[in-house]
Amino acid sequence: GAGVSQSPSNKVTEKGKDVELRCDPISGHTALYWYRQSLGQGLEFLIYFQGNSAPDKSGLPSDRFSAERTGGSVSTLTIQRTQQEDSAVYLCASSHFQWKETQYFGPGTRLLVL
Amino acid sequence: SQQGEEDPQALSIQEGENATMNCSYKTSINNLQWYRQNSGRGLVHLILIRSNEREKHSGRLRVTLDTSKKSSSLLITASRAADTASYFCATDASNQGGKLIFGQGTELSVKP
Repeated sequence: GAGVSQSPSNKVTEKGKDVELRCDPISGHTALYWYRQSLGQGLEFLIYFQGNSAPDKSGLPSDRFSAERTGGSVSTLTIQRTQQEDSAVYLCASSHFQWKETQYFGPGTRLLVL
Repeated sequence: SQQGEEDPQALSIQEGENATMNCSYKTSINNLQWYRQNSGRGLVHLILIRSNEREKHSGRLRVTLDTSKKSSSLLITASRAADTASYFCATDASNQGGKLIFGQGTELSVKP
């Protein structure tokens, strides 16, 4: 079946603008995760959704970052008033409730803030 | 913040040789996983080892875990040029399939 998909693949924006990144998890996967990967910080956890539970937002770096998961499926990561240090690859992953430990990653969105 | 360190940061070997990568972590874990990444994009899950396991095999991959030393190693035997990629260890401290904490990664280059 289809894997995790993310859009857009690449996004170039100007400092101060808002951006929305989308993630479509694997159908039937109840958990969804956002990570980001940058040269300076490596791979960092951002936020985690599990079913109807309150999301784990402990990795969000500032209040400019937020994420939603609508209908238990698609998720949108929003970055407001982007800064140059937000430039990174944003990776989404999902996992099945039965084999929840294995996460399946999407191809990522490469964000460049000018 | 990163859970731990991986070494070496970069490894270059000839096809057919074995590649060993090491990972150390800081806190108690439920399981440790290894992922592969090509060209800085999506990660592919390779293998998972639980905290009560010491060794696991999958094809040409062998993973060990030493919880007393908080360390793990990934061995790729009989390497191929197609194994060229970055390899990351990731730890899961929960038993609920929660967030992963990644190491810095090892960049493996296998020369034909």
